[in-house]
Amino acid sequence: EIVMTQSPATLSVSPGERATLSCRASQSVSSNLAWYQQKPGQAPRLLIYAASTRATGVPARFSGSGSGTEFTLTISSLQSEDFAVYYCQQYNNWPPLTFGGGTKVEIK
Amino acid sequence: QVQLVESGGGVVQPGRSLRLSCAASGFSFSTYGMHWVRQAPGKGLVWVAFIWYNGDKKVYADSVKGRFTISRDNSNNMLYLEVNSLRAEDTAVYYCATGSTGETFDFWGQGTLVTVSS
Repeated sequence: EIVMTQSPATLSVSPGERATLSCRASQSVSSNLAWYQQKPGQAPRLLIYAASTRATGVPARFSGSGSGTEFTLTISSLQSEDFAVYYCQQYNNWPPLTFGGGTKVEIK
Repeated sequence: QVQLVESGGGVVQPGRSLRLSCAASGFSFSTYGMHWVRQAPGKGLVWVAFIWYNGDKKVYADSVKGRFTISRDNSNNMLYLEVNSLRAEDTAVYYCATGSTGETFDFWGQGTLVTVSS
């Protein structure tokens, strides 16, 4: 099973600032990595797939990068609606599909 | 638009069973593989099971293998998860989800809460 590790667990950022979230895989997942955003009481929402491709309707301030075992989600200028929990997920080698433990982006 | 609506959750005693349902609409259900993903209260996302578009193949997380059964009814656009021998650690919101590639979760339902408690 591929273990996904996200850091930090919590990120405190002021609105308008840049946020950088990290995701590490226990073995290479090539570019088969997705990012999701989840707000309280809601289902997750797909943001990024194939490590760097934005899903339909996702604002350009969200960008993904990386390949192999190291990945980054960057939110260039945080808006109020971006404060949420973010999860990475690998789909290179499954079953099982595996998620990281999540990074909570909170208001500083 | 794509809509996934789960139902069937509730409070159940340890060792008992439930059948979760997911009603799909707004897309060609019979051509999409379907997943169940769960989330324990205050915890992260965990993939549970996947069924191929035609139901021919099913795969499960080790933690539920032998206890949970995923199935589908393409004639009625329904996905199911039979959950048996429930344990306290199965307490979670259960989401059905799908995507164009079958490997990412482009669309999610709102989830149904299963609480296992005596």
